[in-house]
Amino acid sequence: DAMVIQNPRYQVTQFGKPVTLSCSQTLNHNVMYWYQQKSSQAPKLLFHYYDKDFNNEADTPDNFQSRRPNTSFCFLDIRSPGLGDAAMYLCATSRDHRVETQYFGPGTRLLVL
Amino acid sequence: QKEVEQDPGPLSVPEGAIVSLNCTYSNSAFQYFMWYRQYSRKGPELLMYTYSSGNKEDGRFTAQVDKSSKYISLFIRDSQPSDSATYLCAMSSPDYGGSQGNLIFGKGTKLSVKP
Repeated sequence: DAMVIQNPRYQVTQFGKPVTLSCSQTLNHNVMYWYQQKSSQAPKLLFHYYDKDFNNEADTPDNFQSRRPNTSFCFLDIRSPGLGDAAMYLCATSRDHRVETQYFGPGTRLLVL
Repeated sequence: QKEVEQDPGPLSVPEGAIVSLNCTYSNSAFQYFMWYRQYSRKGPELLMYTYSSGNKEDGRFTAQVDKSSKYISLFIRDSQPSDSATYLCAMSSPDYGGSQGNLIFGKGTKLSVKP
């Protein structure tokens, strides 16, 4: 029944070592989002895909990249993780740009050593 | 001033109490208002959605939007221990910052309902 799946749920990486987080969806939604949520803070949108169109938020660091090879999958690549990148990374999907249709995955908690 | 302000709590209430959670905002263009519930180490789940001003009720939950005051509320009646979670308000406008569908979240209020 899981609709938005994120793998892994927990990821430990070393300072500067590239890491990839995965998101998949069974909803066939057009839009996929990546949010970063630090402890006791609001989720912050990093970027989103509308189909294959990539939309980067202005303040998203260049260290963060994303790929969407098909409708079902979307990846978040962190090229050189710093200690400040330790956070929960949330994937969400929506059928279109209507915000009320956004569904969130369970998140991947990233720890940078 | 942050765009969305939300008291982080924590808020602790006895079982059965009425809970009031609130957010204020500064952007008058916001038209879509949502409340998400987030259990520990889980993703947010949509609880209530309201378009523009007014009230919306769903079971024990009531969402209120007062656009004139830029103030939204979530009321939980007969609160249960299973309501213990962090509650995030979120809002958006049709073409916010050129990124349609961009949700602006509050920091969340951590609620604990004691048996």
